[in-house]
Amino acid sequence: DIQMTQSPSFLSASVGDRVTINCKASQNINRYLNWYQQKLGEAPKLLIYNANSLQTGIPSRFSGSGSGTDFTLTISSLQPEDVATYFCLQHNSWPRTFGAGTKLELK
Amino acid sequence: EVKLLESGGGLVQPGGSMRLSCAASGFTFTDFYMNWIRQPAGKAPEWLGFIRNKANGYTTEYNPSVKGRFTISRDNTQNMLYLQMNTLRAEDTATYYCAGTGRGDYWGQGVMVTVSS
Repeated sequence: DIQMTQSPSFLSASVGDRVTINCKASQNINRYLNWYQQKLGEAPKLLIYNANSLQTGIPSRFSGSGSGTDFTLTISSLQPEDVATYFCLQHNSWPRTFGAGTKLELK
Repeated sequence: EVKLLESGGGLVQPGGSMRLSCAASGFTFTDFYMNWIRQPAGKAPEWLGFIRNKANGYTTEYNPSVKGRFTISRDNTQNMLYLQMNTLRAEDTATYYCAGTGRGDYWGQGVMVTVSS
């Protein structure tokens, strides 16, 4: 299985901050990387697919970059409603595998 | 409006069986891959498997972690997805989500499964 190493595990930031979350794959996954947001008690919600494509309805402050093994999710200006846990998911090969998650809270 | 509603969860003893259902509406069911994903409390999700869409012959793939114990099926006349789980273990305790993927990414709200004596 492809291992997805996500960092940091925990992140505290202020409203308006630029936030970055990283994900590293154990082997080349091309651009087959999605980012999900999960708020407490809710299902994960797709934010970014195929490394850098913004899912319909997602605010433009979210963006993704990377290819191969290294990927980044960026929130350009953190908003209070962005408090959540963020997961990366590789869908280059089966089984699909998630990163361990980054819990984002407000400072 | 897209809706996915899981049902059938609850408490089951180790070694027991359980069938989860997922009722889908608001999208063309046969166009979508349908998936099961689970998430133990406080941990990352795990993608269990999927059943392909009509164009790809409704074939299935399973995570090796559950292959041989879990079976995914769909009833395209009723827009229903199923997960048959056999020989359940304590480590199968989790919230189970169904999800439709393809032209969109739709998830249900999840259903809890607890495997305990």
